[in-house]
Amino acid sequence: AQSVTQLDSQVPVFEEAPVELRCNYSSSVSVYLFWYVQYPNQGLQLLLKYLSGSTLVKGINGFEAEFNKSQTSFHLRKPSVHISDTAEYFCAVISNTGFQKLVFGTGTRLLVSP
Amino acid sequence: DADVTQTPRNRITKTGKRIMLECSQTKGHDRMYWYRQDPGLGLRLIYYSFDVKDINKGEISDGYSVSRQAQAKFSLSLESAIPNQTALYFCATSQGQVDYNEQFFGPGTRLTVL
Repeated sequence: AQSVTQLDSQVPVFEEAPVELRCNYSSSVSVYLFWYVQYPNQGLQLLLKYLSGSTLVKGINGFEAEFNKSQTSFHLRKPSVHISDTAEYFCAVISNTGFQKLVFGTGTRLLVSP
Repeated sequence: DADVTQTPRNRITKTGKRIMLECSQTKGHDRMYWYRQDPGLGLRLIYYSFDVKDINKGEISDGYSVSRQAQAKFSLSLESAIPNQTALYFCATSQGQVDYNEQFFGPGTRLTVL
């Protein structure tokens, strides 16, 4: 079974500052990794995903994430955040060996202030 | 128009009442899912369906049932609602055949059981 840990429940940051949202996963098999974003009063939408290949993945809205197999991490980064990035961010993992459910982390709330 | 719609968006009910949450999609996807979101717990899978005749339990199916009326419709029922089923419920869809395809989420239904 897979599990996902998002250590930071909330990350406050000032506008135009860089941000990193941390995600660590646990799995005995190879996995696919995802970051979803949930804006206030909306459903989740995909930011980016890692399936294979280059470990640096670029997503929408200037976000990127780096897959680190040895550290079992998939941290999300943005070099300069905007007020509009205020949202909850979920890391998720799914095994690539037959259907397994998509396992979500508990989420990190990013609060961007002026 | 939204691709994945959920009705109702908000519902307050009493303990013991039967409740149905409905989900419709215009994306033509084969797979549909029901999740619940609780603060600090992320999203947990209740049921999923790969097609009209294929319905499976997720990790927290107790107290819930589902019906896949058509490819585009997937309903979640609470036969006898209880207060700890108070949560935000999301329907999601994905294209079939591979597990790493993006899931598309509806806007959610906020259910309160008194």
